[in-house]
Amino acid sequence: SQQGEEDPQALSIQEGENATMNCSYKTSINNLQWYRQNSGRGLVHLILIRSNEREKHSGRLRVTLDTSKKSSSLLITASRAADTASYFCATDSGAGSYQLTFGKGTKLSVIP
Amino acid sequence: SQTIHQWPATLVQPVGSPLSLECTVEGTSNPNLYWYRQAAGRGLQLLFYSVGIGQISSEVPQNLSASRPQDRQFILSSKKLLLSDSGFYLCAWRVQRDTEAFFGQGTRLTVV
Repeated sequence: SQQGEEDPQALSIQEGENATMNCSYKTSINNLQWYRQNSGRGLVHLILIRSNEREKHSGRLRVTLDTSKKSSSLLITASRAADTASYFCATDSGAGSYQLTFGKGTKLSVIP
Repeated sequence: SQTIHQWPATLVQPVGSPLSLECTVEGTSNPNLYWYRQAAGRGLQLLFYSVGIGQISSEVPQNLSASRPQDRQFILSSKKLLLSDSGFYLCAWRVQRDTEAFFGQGTRLTVV
């Protein structure tokens, strides 16, 4: 079953604008991860935020985590055409589970 | 460095034929291994995962099976393919739970 649910399903912005994607999940987690997928390719890991962290940065990426609301957001600043891809959140549940469960993704289009 | 190999990249198979997709990881030992399926424009569905040789956990009862005959080899099989088995199959590995996952390039399976 899918744990995460991304919002919006699709997002289209102009180059240079910021893109914000949201992820909601249902059960308690140890961490939340964001991945990127170019069309027809495998996924690439972007960033991991642990349940005791509230915010994390990596280059133009900023991730926040609100465990009380069971939600996370991914912000891409100063977007580029090369950022066009699908973005997925994934969660590691607690209780010793080895499952890594993905949401349905947000398809981001950055228009040059 | 660690690498993951997944093949073939594309496959067209008739209904009722068998299936064998192979995934191997290099440069690490005792990885956690995963098989996912992605329907067109959709999220990733976890099919199987393995934390050791011969240890397979099935997430979705269906027409598929998985095996791990060697430490760094993960095989996805079917005895008789159905039309509904069509999709994009992704193999992934990680060192342990609660860490980032690394994906293969995927296999596009079309059952005709």
